[in-house]
Amino acid sequence: AQSVAQPEDQVNVAEGNPLTVKCTYSVSGNPYLFWYVQYPNRGLQFLLKYITGDNLVKGSYGFEAEFNKSQTSFHLKKPSALVSDSALYFCAVRDTGAAGNKLTFGGGTRVLVKP
Amino acid sequence: ETGVTQTPRHLVMGMTNKKSLKCEQHLGHNAMYWYKQSAKKPLELMFVYNFKEQTENNSVPSRFSPECPNSSHLFLHLHTLQPEDSALYLCASSQDRPKGELFFGEGSRLTVL
Repeated sequence: AQSVAQPEDQVNVAEGNPLTVKCTYSVSGNPYLFWYVQYPNRGLQFLLKYITGDNLVKGSYGFEAEFNKSQTSFHLKKPSALVSDSALYFCAVRDTGAAGNKLTFGGGTRVLVKP
Repeated sequence: ETGVTQTPRHLVMGMTNKKSLKCEQHLGHNAMYWYKQSAKKPLELMFVYNFKEQTENNSVPSRFSPECPNSSHLFLHLHTLQPEDSALYLCASSQDRPKGELFFGEGSRLTVL
């Protein structure tokens, strides 16, 4: 069965410093990987996805993520964090080797960027 | 404007009430979803509809009753809920293909007294 793990409940970072949010996954086939962000009292917003091709994916608001097949990871990164990046971040995976087209979300990581 | 509109944004109801949540998508997608988001719990997929047909029901209690009259509209009918059903209910839509991302509405915050 497919699964996704976000090992950190919360990440604290100073404004201007690099931000990394970790995500690892487990699938039987090839993964389709997604990152979403949720601001307080809002729905989830799509940030970026990896389907195939270049392992470094660039997305909205200056975020990027690197697909690492050997480590089964898809960490989200931003070179210089902003206070406005404070939010809840979700990693999600679809397993191309499984039937049903199911999307599985991680538990979420809260990011707090301090001025 | 996210393309997916949910109403109401906030709802307070007693355990004996009957209410409905509404979702409308303006993106031309053919798949729609209901998710439940509770504090300190992962997102829970409740129902999936493809081309108005329900394709997934993740063991959701019968007090939650979905309805999808067309590809643009999705309802969640609520009756005799329990306090533990208090949560943020999120609607999403997508093209029914594995590479497509979900587009979420802003959610309906439900409080059951």
